[in-house]
Amino acid sequence: GAVVSQHPSWVICKSGTSVKIECRSLDFQATTMFWYRQFPKQSLMLMATSNEGSKATYEQGVEKDKFLINHASLTLSTLTVTSAHPEDSSFYICSARDRGAPPNQPQHFGDGTRLSIL
Amino acid sequence: DAKTTQPTSMDCAEGRAANLPCNHSTISGNEYVYWYRQIHSQGPQYIIHGLKNNETNEMASLIITEDRKSSTLILPHATLRDTAVYYCIVRPYNAGNMLTFGGGTRLMVKP
Repeated sequence: GAVVSQHPSWVICKSGTSVKIECRSLDFQATTMFWYRQFPKQSLMLMATSNEGSKATYEQGVEKDKFLINHASLTLSTLTVTSAHPEDSSFYICSARDRGAPPNQPQHFGDGTRLSIL
Repeated sequence: DAKTTQPTSMDCAEGRAANLPCNHSTISGNEYVYWYRQIHSQGPQYIIHGLKNNETNEMASLIITEDRKSSTLILPHATLRDTAVYYCIVRPYNAGNMLTFGGGTRLMVKP
C-alpha cells in the first residue's frame, strides 16, 4: 500500500534553531502534500498545503515566514521551522495522496515528527 | 465540508465488536465518509471510506444509513491494539484532498 515517510521522527533542539522536516511518498507521486500540527490532547490542525513546483498555501494564522515549505519534487516536501521557540514544540504530521488515484481515494499519513524546543 | 459529531470516548471489551457512531446530518450528495484512526504518537491511519453503500475491508465495516446522515464504523473483534482515537470525516469527491479533523472518539479496548 501507499507509504509516506517522515524524517526525523523526533527532534530536540535549542531555541532559535531552524529545523527541517522531510515528508516523502515512497511508492507514489504526489503533486499535493499537506502539513498538520497537533498539540497534546488536541486534534490535527491543517497548517498548509504544499504544491509541487509552486508556492504553498497557508491556513489562516500560520506564518509563512516561520514555517517554510518546499515541494521540489513529486515525492518530497519539506517543512522548515525557522528560529524555533518553545511554543513551536508540537507533533508535525504530513500527508499525501497518489496523484494517479481517483479523487475519492484516501490520503496517507506519515508517522509524524515530534519537535521539542528547549 | 460537512461537520461530523462523534462521542468523545467509548470503551469496548477485548474480543467484542466495537461500534463507533458518527453523525453527519448536513452531508451533501457528493461527500464521502472517511474513517481514520490515530494510535498514540503516530500519524493517522486510513481505515475505510464510502459514499452510500456499506463497505467492508480487512480492518472494519462501514455502515451508512439510507439517508446518509449517520454512519457506524464496526471493528468486528476489537483487540487491545485497536485502542486509538477514531476520526470520522466527510469530504466532497473533488475537494482538493484536504481533510478536516474533528475531535474524534477515543476508543479504549479493555481486557
